[in-house]
Amino acid sequence: GAGVSQTPSNKVTEKGKYVELRCDPISGHTALYWYRQSLGQGPEFLIYFQGTGAADDSGLPNDRFFAVRPEGSVSTLKIQRTERGDSAVYLCASSPGQGIDTQYFGPGTRLTVL
Amino acid sequence: AQSVTQLGSHVSVSEGALVLLRCNYSSSVPPYLFWYVQYPNQGLQLLLKYTSAATLVKGINGFEAEFKKSETSFHLTKPSAHMSDAAEYFCAVSEFGGYNKLIFGAGTRLAVHP
Repeated sequence: GAGVSQTPSNKVTEKGKYVELRCDPISGHTALYWYRQSLGQGPEFLIYFQGTGAADDSGLPNDRFFAVRPEGSVSTLKIQRTERGDSAVYLCASSPGQGIDTQYFGPGTRLTVL
Repeated sequence: AQSVTQLGSHVSVSEGALVLLRCNYSSSVPPYLFWYVQYPNQGLQLLLKYTSAATLVKGINGFEAEFKKSETSFHLTKPSAHMSDAAEYFCAVSEFGGYNKLIFGAGTRLAVHP
């Protein structure tokens, strides 16, 4: 079956612009996670959704970052007034439910802020 | 708070040689531990996970890891390296609070030479 997909695969933008990154989880997965991976680092947790609600957004770096999952499936990570330090690979993962379920990761969106 | 340290950002082995990738964790509660592999331009893939059952965990592609509480370690091994094992490997601990929030190490890039 289809895995987690993320679009776009690459996004280049200018400092100060607004961007949206999309994640399509595996069908039926209720849990969705966003992580950010900077160059040479491991992924860092950003936000967790269970269904439509953001159950833990403690990893969002500041109020320029926001994520939604209005119908409990597709999620969009939104970044306002982008800064060069936002350049990273943004990873999305989904899992069947709560608990220590395996997370299935998408290929990521590489964001470059010029 | 949990944390993960991966010793050695780059490891190089000969084809057929033993692979040993080191991971030490810090956790105030019994941990859940994971190894993920990342091939170029692909998403993270789960190799294996420890969830407080057997301390020796077998994963995919011939990899295994042993949980050693006294050493706070979860090193990844494979008896005989294949060229196809060349990838980046991440150790992670779960900051489990009803859901699987992963804290990753910085990663180890494995090179396999003929």
